[in-house]
Amino acid sequence: GAGVSQSPSNKVTEKGKDVELRCDPISGHTALYWYRQSLGQGLEFLIYFQGNSAPDKSGLPSDRFSAERTGGSVSTLTIQRTQQEDSAVYLCASGPSPQQKTQYFGPGTRLLVL
Amino acid sequence: TQLLEQSPQFLSIQEGENLTVYCNSSSVFSSLQWYRQEPGEGPVLLVTVVTGGEVKKLKRLTFQFGDARKDSSLHITAAQPGDTGLYLCAQNSGGSNYKLTFGKGTLLTVNP
Repeated sequence: GAGVSQSPSNKVTEKGKDVELRCDPISGHTALYWYRQSLGQGLEFLIYFQGNSAPDKSGLPSDRFSAERTGGSVSTLTIQRTQQEDSAVYLCASGPSPQQKTQYFGPGTRLLVL
Repeated sequence: TQLLEQSPQFLSIQEGENLTVYCNSSSVFSSLQWYRQEPGEGPVLLVTVVTGGEVKKLKRLTFQFGDARKDSSLHITAAQPGDTGLYLCAQNSGGSNYKLTFGKGTLLTVNP
């Protein structure tokens, strides 16, 4: 079946602009995660959505970052007023339930802020 | 936050050689996951180890979980170019059963 998809696959933007990154999880998966992967830092947890519960936003690095998940499916990660240090690969993952710890990752969006 | 240290950071070997990569922590893991990430893709789960001393095999890959559950290793026998990728270990962090903390990974290159 279809895996997690993310769009765009690559994004180049200018410092100060806003960007939106999209994630389509595996159908039926209730858990959705966003991570950031940057050189030298590894994978960092950003935010977690589970069903209709309040999201865990504890990993968001600043108030310029926000995410929403509409209808329990598609999620959008928004970065406002982008900075050069925001350049990274943004990975989305989904999971079938909170009890099932396996996370299925998408291919990521490569963001470059000039 | 519990830190995961992976070593070596980089490893370049010839096809057919054996190798071992390591994942260590100063604290006890409740469980540990190993992922492989190929260029341009997201990480893919290889295995989860839970019990101290546990050994799991996945074809030419052997995963060990230390008796004290503070370290783990991944051994690859007769490496092939298709094994090339970033090997990541991860564990649940902060008492959460969903939030993963990842090591920085070992970047393996297997040359034909």
